[in-house]
Formats: sequence, structure tokens, C-alpha cells
Amino acid sequence: SQQGEEDPQALSIQEGENATMNCSYKTSINNLQWYRQNSGRGLVHLILIRSNEREKHSGRLRVTLDTSKKSSSLLITASRAADTASYFCAPNNFGNEKLTFGTGTRLTIIP
Amino acid sequence: DTGVSQDPRHKITKRGQNVTFRCDPISEHNRLYWYRQTLGQGPEFLTYFQNEAQLEKSRLLSDRFSAERPKGSFSTLEIQRTEQGDSAMYLCASSPGHTVNTQETQYFGPGTRLLVL
Repeated sequence: SQQGEEDPQALSIQEGENATMNCSYKTSINNLQWYRQNSGRGLVHLILIRSNEREKHSGRLRVTLDTSKKSSSLLITASRAADTASYFCAPNNFGNEKLTFGTGTRLTIIP
Repeated sequence: DTGVSQDPRHKITKRGQNVTFRCDPISEHNRLYWYRQTLGQGPEFLTYFQNEAQLEKSRLLSDRFSAERPKGSFSTLEIQRTEQGDSAMYLCASSPGHTVNTQETQYFGPGTRLLVL
């Protein structure tokens, strides 16, 4: 399995602004997943994007995948205080069942 | 609530003691995973089960750690002779696991926070 590297490590924005965080990985993948973790709690799945997909939307979330650059981005539009959390990406190789996480992006929404 | 549940939510123990955590996955989920997370880090994979079979174990899972899923439903994670370095959040997750070689969405429980004094 391989670990994704999230960037930036920390991000603070005003409520209502858009937040963008990035994930880079090293080898080809089958899919890539994004998860959110509120402080002291378990992870919540946000989006799974497959290697043959370039963009996916879910509510205020937009995920892109560029397999040529081995990178993905997560855009949260019209941020809310409840979006304050750590965000992790998990790139998955074919045949690998476990998730491997980086250190995440810590997002803080300022009211 | 039919999500993943973990018990206890918090555990404080003294070094050298044994502890056991329980995870109840979402009903009919065949795969169950254990992860460990320390402060400021992402979760690290420990082990996973396909039904009652333990299919993969991380090198992080020393011989003091043992996990079981005897009937393919709930799972237990036991740590023997705890050390201060075992202090962490222990997360359990489950996924449907009906198809081999597919990476699926994993549904996480709230975690068990362990503090070893």
C-alpha cells in the first residue's frame, strides 16, 4: 500500500470561503478516498474517486484526480464552522484492502 | 443506531496490565479493520478480518497484541503487558466485503482512547 501526503498541513480560512487541500501519491492507484475526522472522533468517509474518473461531486465537496500528476484535490465550497476537522486522503492500489493515511490537513474555519 | 460501535470509549490503565477492546461492526459487514492513531498522526493499519479469518497483520502488531473475530461478527483487540507507547486511539472500521479485491468505503467507529500510565 502507499501513503498519501496531504498539503497543506494546516489551513485557516474565514467562514464562507472555499478551502482547497491536496493529496499526492507515488505509484498508480485503483482509487483514492477522502475522509474527515472531527477532533477526537472516528473518521467519516467523504468521497471515493476511481482511477478512471477525473472529478466527482458530493454536496459542497468537489474532488479531482490527476493520475498523470499522481495528485488529487478536495475543494470545500462555502465553508462552515462544522467543516473544522482533519482531512485525510487514502490512495489505494489494486488488491490492497487496507487504508494508509498521511498526517492529514488540519482545517480551521474562523466564524 | 446501526453504525460501528466500540467499547470502552476510554481506558486508563497502568503499565504492565492487559486491556481488551471490543468492536461491533455494521450488521452484515464481512470486513473488519483495526487502526491505531497517535496525536497529530493519521490512523495506522493494524490488522483486518474477512469474516472470521485474519487476513493481514501489520508489523506494528507486536506479539503483545492479539485480535480475534471468532464468529465473524464482533472483534476484540487485546494488548498484553501494556507500555506507555501503547497510548493511542484505537479505531475499528468495517466494510461490506462481499467482493474480493475491491477497495471499499470503510465505516469507522468512534474509537477507544487508551492511556497507559
